[in-house]
Amino acid sequence: DAGVIQSPRHEVTEMGQEVTLRCKPISGHDYLFWYRQTMMRGLELLIYFNNNVPIDDSGMPEDRFSAKMPNASFSTLKIQPSEPRDSAVYFCASSSQDRGGGNTIYFGEGSWLTVV
Amino acid sequence: GENVEQHPSTLSVQEGDSAVIKCTYSDSASNYFPWYKQELGKGPQLIIDIRSNVGEKKDQRIAVTLNKTAKHFSLHITETQPEDSAVYFCAASIRSNSGYALNFGKGTSLLVTP
Repeated sequence: DAGVIQSPRHEVTEMGQEVTLRCKPISGHDYLFWYRQTMMRGLELLIYFNNNVPIDDSGMPEDRFSAKMPNASFSTLKIQPSEPRDSAVYFCASSSQDRGGGNTIYFGEGSWLTVV
Repeated sequence: GENVEQHPSTLSVQEGDSAVIKCTYSDSASNYFPWYKQELGKGPQLIIDIRSNVGEKKDQRIAVTLNKTAKHFSLHITETQPEDSAVYFCAASIRSNSGYALNFGKGTSLLVTP
């Protein structure tokens, strides 16, 4: 199994530029999550999808952030325009259908974003 | 929503000693409690999990205990080794009508010194 695949692994961009982070979940998984990790706030849930449908986007910090999942094998997280405070590690994760008890969430290696 | 508190934020132990990390959660509906280990430059990886119908679970040197009444759960690592040094996160499930996700604690940076 290839695991959750994220790209790019590292990105440095200038303030005001658009940033697009990409994710390929584990094949067969129904859930896809986007988390952001910073020293101050830890791991924050931004948004998650079930069967390609956004379920909860209450963690998305503001309108500059958007996420899409056009099909079961691809998702994007977009920041437009980017700001220095968006600098963080962005993790994509996926999981199979919850059977009532919760299932393991598998994380990608993360996209390290620096906005200067 | 679910609030997960984790303590301590840093922990230093000598090789061979035990390490204990504690978490509390706020939502009594949470029923799944995983623990993740994150090494430098990598994504978090599941090391053990426990469900609400179980009070304790063990896997070799790692054990987790759950007290649903008090809403707290703990990770125990025995006979620690230098390779156990990492950041450990606890999490609790959060559910909506349409699905579930995990809320994480702030993490514990564990250092095992030889």
